[in-house]
Amino acid sequence: GAGVSQSPSNKVTEKGKDVELRCDPISGHTALYWYRQSLGQGLEFLIYFQGNSAPDKSGLPSDRFSAERTGGSVSTLTIQRTQQEDSAVYLCASSLVTRTPQHFGDGTRLSIL
Amino acid sequence: AQSVTQPDIHITVSEGASLELRCNYSYGATPYLFWYVQSPGQGLQLLLKYFSGDTLVQGIKGFEAEFKRSQSSFNLRKPSVHWSDAAEYFCAVGAPRDDKIIFGKGTRLHILP
Repeated sequence: GAGVSQSPSNKVTEKGKDVELRCDPISGHTALYWYRQSLGQGLEFLIYFQGNSAPDKSGLPSDRFSAERTGGSVSTLTIQRTQQEDSAVYLCASSLVTRTPQHFGDGTRLSIL
Repeated sequence: AQSVTQPDIHITVSEGASLELRCNYSYGATPYLFWYVQSPGQGLQLLLKYFSGDTLVQGIKGFEAEFKRSQSSFNLRKPSVHWSDAAEYFCAVGAPRDDKIIFGKGTRLHILP
């Protein structure tokens, strides 16, 4: 597609369940970023990929969070045993290479009951 | 590590008035600097970017920003705001030696009719 696509757009789940969030970047973009946006907290960096590798995982809040990217394209962010504090909008962005302007998806709004 | 501060959480201006949103960064060398806008329920859109060269940068939608090394600032300006400019604005900084881009917590702009 023309832009960064994220799915689902909304996800409501019960505390303790696992969730998978998907990001489909712009074709040809080698860099892919995940951010979390909570009310009043701005954008919190989670992880980025250069190709299929993730040089920096320091932003992941806990070991319940993981992400992978396959084929240099689609990325999945997985949250295991979700907690209420995981409720947020999860944004994905891609760019041609790192350090260049990022194109953002519309995000996945995650609500943990 | 680099960081970015947006001192104003909310700004209210009248339609037609001028606007300046503040951004200060912390980094030892010249960073890459960005301004993004997020309209309600939408993803982030790049307004403008500074990598090097002319310190006054023109962006989309009539916005401009000026990089001032001595003040470690990259303030966003617009001569005359329109009601459609009501949104949240994010300043972001990237370090030439670091692939991450760090975002400020954002400034929400309100426009009075």
